[in-house]
Amino acid sequence: GQSLEQPSEVTAVEGAIVQINCTYQTSGFYGLSWYQQHDGGAPTFLSYNALDGLEETGRFSSFLSRSDSYGYLLLQELQMKDSASYFCAVHASGGSYIPTFGRGTSLIVHP
Amino acid sequence: DVKVTQSSRYLVKRTGEKVFLECVQDMDHENMFWYRQDPGLGLRLIYFSYDVKMKEKGDIPEGYSVSREKKERFSLILESASTNQTSMYLCASSLGGTGPNYGYTFGSGTRLTVV
Repeated sequence: GQSLEQPSEVTAVEGAIVQINCTYQTSGFYGLSWYQQHDGGAPTFLSYNALDGLEETGRFSSFLSRSDSYGYLLLQELQMKDSASYFCAVHASGGSYIPTFGRGTSLIVHP
Repeated sequence: DVKVTQSSRYLVKRTGEKVFLECVQDMDHENMFWYRQDPGLGLRLIYFSYDVKMKEKGDIPEGYSVSREKKERFSLILESASTNQTSMYLCASSLGGTGPNYGYTFGSGTRLTVV
């Protein structure tokens, strides 16, 4: 099976940079996804990493190190609207490539 | 934009009732999924389907069944609702395969309360 670890909560101030870490254990690793979910809303897809390195999409970047079974989501120039839960999800051949989600990190952005 | 629509936002059902949760997607996606989301537990996969008439068990299928008679529609069925099935239920769809363009699109969820 797959397992993931991410912090339950992270706090930061507006304008700052925050990093949300995710470590995973799996066999047949294929890729790591990130999703954002606002309270009462649907999870929305943010990014996907299959290879080592950093993928940048606007203020959000996602990093993967396959050798360390580790990834992170980096949010820059934080805004109040970034307050949400963030889930990492691992895709693995053992799981039919369907993502297994972590328990989520609640990001609280203060003014 | 892909739309995944879940028929009900809130449902209250009695213990022992048969419950149907409906999900429709409008982008011809091959794959459809049902998750439940509980505080502190993240999203857990109940069932998924790669094609019409096909279904596969996820991590927590007990007490649930599914139906996919048409490509755009995926139904979750609680055969006999129990209080431990009180949860947020999320439907999702995706193109076949996995990769950067294959992120899931989720519906807004159905919050089911079983009393």
